[in-house]
Parts: sequence; C-alpha cells; structure tokens
Amino acid sequence: QSVLTQPPSVSGAPGQRVAISCTGSSSNIGAGYDVHWYQQLPGTAPKLLIYANSNRPSGVPDRFSGSKSGASASLAITGLQAEDEADYYCQSYDNRLSDSLFGGGTKLTVL
Amino acid sequence: QVQLVQSGAEVKRPGASVKVSCKASGYTFTSYGISWVRQAPGQGLEWMGWVSGYNGNAKYAQKAQGRVTMTTDSSTNTAYMELRSLRSDDTAVFYCARRYTAYAQADYWGQGTLVTVSS
Repeated sequence: QSVLTQPPSVSGAPGQRVAISCTGSSSNIGAGYDVHWYQQLPGTAPKLLIYANSNRPSGVPDRFSGSKSGASASLAITGLQAEDEADYYCQSYDNRLSDSLFGGGTKLTVL
Repeated sequence: QVQLVQSGAEVKRPGASVKVSCKASGYTFTSYGISWVRQAPGQGLEWMGWVSGYNGNAKYAQKAQGRVTMTTDSSTNTAYMELRSLRSDDTAVFYCARRYTAYAQADYWGQGTLVTVSS
C-alpha cells in the first residue's frame, strides 16, 4: 500500500475530461511539499508531465493540468486522446520517511 | 538537448552484482544529481536513491540501503548504480533520471536498463 494513494484505473471516451487523484497525509502533501506528475506510455520511460503542483514543462499540452488542495493533489486531462492512454504517477516528499515517494500509479484507458 | 543514455540489458545469477551506467549530455553534469528508479515487471515506480553530480554524495532509499552504491564520474559525465547480492525479485527495469536535488522533480529520464536475475 503506497503512502500516496492513487486510483488503480480511470477511463474516459475521446474528448472527455478525466481526473486522477493523489491522496497523501500531513507528513507529505498536507505538509506543503510539492507534487509532481509523470506519464509512462507503454514500454517507455516515464516523462515529467507536471511539476510543483501545477506547472507544465515545455512541450506538454495545456490539456494537462495539476492542482493541489490540503493533503491531496489532482491531475486533470481534458479533450482525451487515444495517445493519452498510459500509466500516471504522482510524486512528493514525506518528512516522516525523509524520502521522496511515488504514488502507486493509475492506468488511464481511453475507451 | 539533455540526454541520459543507459547501458544495455544484463542477465545475472542470484548472488551476483550488477553495475548500470547512465551517461549524461546536454547540460552541466555537476549542477544536477542523478536518481535511480526501479520498476519490477508490471509494477510501479520505486526510488532507489540520489547521487550528487557535484560531489558524489549519495542518499539511498531505506529499502535499498546496504545493497546499493551510487557513484558519479564527472570526467565522463557518467553516473553508476551498483546493486549487490542480487535476488530473483531484483529483476526489474532500472531508470536513471536527472534531479536538481534529492527531492525535486525528475525532469529527464534515461531509456531504462533491464536487469534479469535468474539461475
């Protein structure tokens, strides 16, 4: 069981909006530490999608957005496309473990 | 452009060691660190630790402590991860990733190195 909890799977039809949650606690997200998001397409290395809660690296479409509130964060994808089908991971820091953490990952299926 | 190129796939016997390399280019190696991330087949991502490109100081994840050593060679802009006393459950893809600090986002990733541990 991951310290950062993500739903194992989400799905949506092309063009729809989906959101992936990342729930932590008072020792990580709730303590104010930044949340980052990664996209891992099948058979490839992860790619940074969102950093510091809501910032997009150059080249990431604005269909992807991140937010954080309290001890949770969320990744939203609008205008779903077939190529968005991937695994998505959140990452933060935990001061009780004194280490970085990944969430367990969420598999996005585009119907 | 920033690139991290990892060494090729390895097959090892239980009890052996493996050393994976990660050659960096396109940025000042000593200004960033390198993290190593493990992904077992069909599983999620797991941090193994971080090594400074500036002075080689390393910080290891609790689970990896004692069996892993991370080093850098700034003359060749290369980071290394050695894992000892390999077990079958160490079979995984290992990624290197650039991180400014041990706690920052990983903004560039290597292509991954598959290490298979089998008798």
